[in-house]
Amino acid sequence: ILNVEQSPQSLHVQEGDSTNFTCSFPSSNFYALHWYRWETAKSPEALFVMTLNGDEKKKGRISATLNTKEGYSYLYIKGSQPEDSATYLCAFMGYNNNDMRFGAGTRLTVKP
Amino acid sequence: DTAVSQTPKYLVTQMGNDKSIKCEQNLGHDTMYWYKQDSKKFLKIMFSYNNKELIINETVPNRFSPKSPDKAHLNLHINSLELGDSAVYFCASSQEGTALNTEAFFGQGTRLTVV
Repeated sequence: ILNVEQSPQSLHVQEGDSTNFTCSFPSSNFYALHWYRWETAKSPEALFVMTLNGDEKKKGRISATLNTKEGYSYLYIKGSQPEDSATYLCAFMGYNNNDMRFGAGTRLTVKP
Repeated sequence: DTAVSQTPKYLVTQMGNDKSIKCEQNLGHDTMYWYKQDSKKFLKIMFSYNNKELIINETVPNRFSPKSPDKAHLNLHINSLELGDSAVYFCASSQEGTALNTEAFFGQGTRLTVV
């Protein structure tokens, strides 16, 4: 069983705050790490797919880093806005597994 | 055009019935998945299908069976529905290839309620 863990489970921040959360995954057999943004009543949408140790990805105010040796990834949101409110999921893919294993997500609420 | 579409969006049915949820993707992807969102909102994989071949079959009851008539479809059939089957089920697809191409596209989910 592959354990993908995310922390914190939920997060409440004020508009304008910067925030970050963590995804931990098995460090062996690593193939890719995905981040998804999941708004209530919608489908999860991919933010980043990361493969290389030390990789950094950025999309607007959102960025992510990857450490495959120690098995963690951070997602950062700079200057949070109310529209950033969503659940952020990470998913691990291993070489021998033809599927994505999701963490439980971090539910972010940004208050105006 | 919806990339991954699931039907129906809502399904209310009685215990003991047999039902199917359909999923279609128009992205030409090789792999399709079914996920169940549990009571804690956790997405848990049920099945993974690649080129009409079952790759992953997590420990789901035998009452659940994936059926893939072709590469673009992966339907979920459920026999003898139980109350505990009530959940939201998500279909997804992705393309096999380099790791960077493997992002998944999700359907909008099907909320199944067993009464």
